[in-house]
Amino acid sequence: QKEVEQNSGPLSVPEGAIASLNCTYSDRVSQSFFWYRQYSGKSPELIMSIYSNGDKEDGRFTAQLNKASQYVSLLIRDSQPSDSATYLCAVNRSGGGADGLTFGKGTHLIIQP
Amino acid sequence: NAGVTQTPKFQVLKTGQSMTLQCAQDMNHNSMYWYRQDPGMGLRLIYYSASEGTTDKGEVPNGYNVSRLNKREFSLRLESAAPSQTSVYFCASSPAGGLGQPQHFGDGTRLSIL
Repeated sequence: QKEVEQNSGPLSVPEGAIASLNCTYSDRVSQSFFWYRQYSGKSPELIMSIYSNGDKEDGRFTAQLNKASQYVSLLIRDSQPSDSATYLCAVNRSGGGADGLTFGKGTHLIIQP
Repeated sequence: NAGVTQTPKFQVLKTGQSMTLQCAQDMNHNSMYWYRQDPGMGLRLIYYSASEGTTDKGEVPNGYNVSRLNKREFSLRLESAAPSQTSVYFCASSPAGGLGQPQHFGDGTRLSIL
């Protein structure tokens, strides 16, 4: 069974610091990787997608992928209180990608003012 | 610009009752999905429709049925609700099957089975 593992937290980070969120996955054939942000009582919102080894930057967010280690991470620079949320790592269920995502249980991030 | 619309937003049912959760997307996406989210369990895929006219089981399909009514609409039916089906249900859509297609989520339906 394919699995996506995340530390549930809470992860507490001071405002202005870098928040580092980590995720490991079990299926070596996975090709698409996503980070979603979910505020309490709200729906998941796509933050980043990454498909190739290395780093991908978008504003204050950087996604990092290492397929050899089956590891994907999300860095949030200059953390703001509005970044406090649960961050979900998701991986495509098969190589094709049409059959949905497998989600981790999420990391609860708290940015302390 | 509605995106993915789910109805109802909240529902309380008694054990054994049936109901259908509705989902519609206006983004001309080919693929649609139903997930449930429970505390401590994360999001789990119930059923999906890779394209109009097809449906397939996900991780947790027992107790549910789906219908892909047309390209826009994908409904989820509980024939005989059980307390274990108390959950938040999310519908999602993506442009097409294949590498690199993120999913866009609706606001969810919060369902309680008494």
